[in-house]
Amino acid sequence: DADVTQTPRNRITKTGKRIMLECSQTKGHDRMYWYRQDPGLGLRLIYYSFDVKDINKGEISDGYSVSRQAQAKFSLSLESAIPNQTALYFCATSEGGSYNEQFFGPGTRLTVL
Amino acid sequence: AQKVTQAQTEISVVEKEDVTLDCVYETRDTTYYLFWYKQPPSGELVFLIRRNSFDEQNEISGRYSWNFQKSTSSFNFTITASQVVDSAVYFCALSDNVQGAQKLVFGQGTRLTINP
Repeated sequence: DADVTQTPRNRITKTGKRIMLECSQTKGHDRMYWYRQDPGLGLRLIYYSFDVKDINKGEISDGYSVSRQAQAKFSLSLESAIPNQTALYFCATSEGGSYNEQFFGPGTRLTVL
Repeated sequence: AQKVTQAQTEISVVEKEDVTLDCVYETRDTTYYLFWYKQPPSGELVFLIRRNSFDEQNEISGRYSWNFQKSTSSFNFTITASQVVDSAVYFCALSDNVQGAQKLVFGQGTRLTINP
């Protein structure tokens, strides 16, 4: 089984709908991250979490919220989806320290019509 | 602010050619880490290598090699004798250490196509 899983893998929704993307990990890592990938822009950090009690905004947090329900679970919500939130979303985990690589989930492709 | 630039948007070569992917970064930190990730057509991101700012030794792993030069703020990636399976999008990334969490700043990515 994959160490980092994301659900759903694909989602099409309409403008104004609330959407939740879920991420689970079995690696036992404290650090978890949400990124979005857009063509030509690489990946950009939305939110990151040191542990269950510590959540921080990333580069592009506007329009998004997160919840760290447990060490293993980190959810990303779009309260009122808009078309420019159409993107590929990745969850990642890492051990503490900036020298450790991040392990990425398979991604969720979200389309907002 | 930290920044990573991968000026090559797309590269296409014929199998068995050598190819170099460029990465230039900007940071004011004296301690930082650089990474390369591979994103094959299946979509997942795969970690390839990490390099810290104090270690300028080049690294070779099979057909892959990395050249880190602080003087030019570059961390270039070379694939020798490329193969079709090397076709992917490659990302260079820079870490922004904030109290132990690793905020990665990614370059725009280089799409590499290896033609048979």
